Amino acid sequence: DTGVSQDPRHKITKRGQNVTFRCDPISEHNRLYWYRQTLGQGPEFLTYFQNEAQLEKSRLLSDRFSAERPKGSFSTLEIQRTEQGDSAMYLCASSLSLEQFFGPGTRLTVL
Amino acid sequence: AQKVTQAQTEISVVEKEDVTLDCVYETRDTTYYLFWYKQPPSGELVFLIRRNSFDEQNEISGRYSWNFQKSTSSFNFTITASQVVDSAVYFCALRLNDYKLSFGAGTTVTVRA
Repeated sequence: DTGVSQDPRHKITKRGQNVTFRCDPISEHNRLYWYRQTLGQGPEFLTYFQNEAQLEKSRLLSDRFSAERPKGSFSTLEIQRTEQGDSAMYLCASSLSLEQFFGPGTRLTVL
Repeated sequence: AQKVTQAQTEISVVEKEDVTLDCVYETRDTTYYLFWYKQPPSGELVFLIRRNSFDEQNEISGRYSWNFQKSTSSFNFTITASQVVDSAVYFCALRLNDYKLSFGAGTTVTVRA
């Protein structure tokens, strides 16, 4: 399977804990994106990378959120001191040109 | 700022009926790109079609067709002869030159056998 993969698919955590998600893009894609989707809404942009450089961050990405793409391949998204409002589906996408291809998402539940 | 509006929250049809999904967008940019994505119950967003702002030609791809009209800022999407497997949430999205996608709230399509 050469699509975008994300790990884990589901994460349940207690409020205040830190969580980290991983995204592996399609291998030749140089751009990688993170989105967040809450129930009944469309995905909202969080941040994106071109190779290893993080080029834009949304205002949604508070200082508790950090994303990295250290070697321009896989990316991690870390949320520190999770809050119940962080519960959502976190989607990763990658692209080489105009179309973005999405992974299956990581569903986070903060209790 | 750009904005995408999908006024239809839910559409329910019987198999073999056609389904048209409405999308209205707002942007001041002259160069932009419009997309339709499908999100089945499994959750993964699937890319369907893309249109560039400088190309208003409407096309048909299999059972999918789209109607892009810059004059009304609309990018409507039609599924012809719907099938149960078409049941999903459909999202319209807009991209400017900053790469990020702005999505509408989605339209849930239910196709009944």
